[in-house]
Amino acid sequence: NAGVMQNPRHLVRRRGQEARLRCSPMKGHSHVYWYRQLPEEGLKFMVYLQKENIIDESGMPKERFSAEFPKEGPSILRIQQVVRGDSAAYFCASSPDQAGQGNYGYTFGSGTRLTVV
Amino acid sequence: DAKTTQPPSMDCAEGRAANLPCNHSTISGNEYVYWYRQIHSQGPQYIIHGLKNNETNEMASLIITEDRKSSTLILPHATLRDTAVYYCIVRVVAAGNKLTFGGGTRVLVKP
Repeated sequence: NAGVMQNPRHLVRRRGQEARLRCSPMKGHSHVYWYRQLPEEGLKFMVYLQKENIIDESGMPKERFSAEFPKEGPSILRIQQVVRGDSAAYFCASSPDQAGQGNYGYTFGSGTRLTVV
Repeated sequence: DAKTTQPPSMDCAEGRAANLPCNHSTISGNEYVYWYRQIHSQGPQYIIHGLKNNETNEMASLIITEDRKSSTLILPHATLRDTAVYYCIVRVVAAGNKLTFGGGTRVLVKP
């Protein structure tokens, strides 16, 4: 049973380009969460999605950032017109439909390291 | 979710037990205590969780005080590979309830 798959592992973009980060949740998981970790800082929640719906985007920057989780395919975090301050590690996590007692909670992917030059 | 307080850093000798404290004095009755760790540049890894009883798995033990206002994660025989940032999180277990990470404890296991 494959874990949460993120790609690419490393992404280099020039200022002004677009970055697209992909996340495939674990099999059977329909909840996807994106987190950002700036260098030497903690993990900050960005957005929570279920299939085709954004449930909580309270941590998303107001501009240039968007996320989707289509019916088919991976979740995508899209950053338009990247700036140097977007350089960070972006982690995706997934969780199952039913929480219940004993639920492990989240399973995280290995992250995408975005470098803006 | 209730707030947690952890020491920012601690050292531990290889082969010895590492005891990581966490205060969560405002925890609610339906909130679980979760522990994750993040080894340098990797995604956070689940360690253990509990409600009120002590828990043990192959990685660690979790001791929760009777009043549930604090807990301790115990790594019984720390290895160099246990060097990581350890996060204590309290949360209601519900579908879609997000994890909120604090600063965690940076644990350095020394030879």
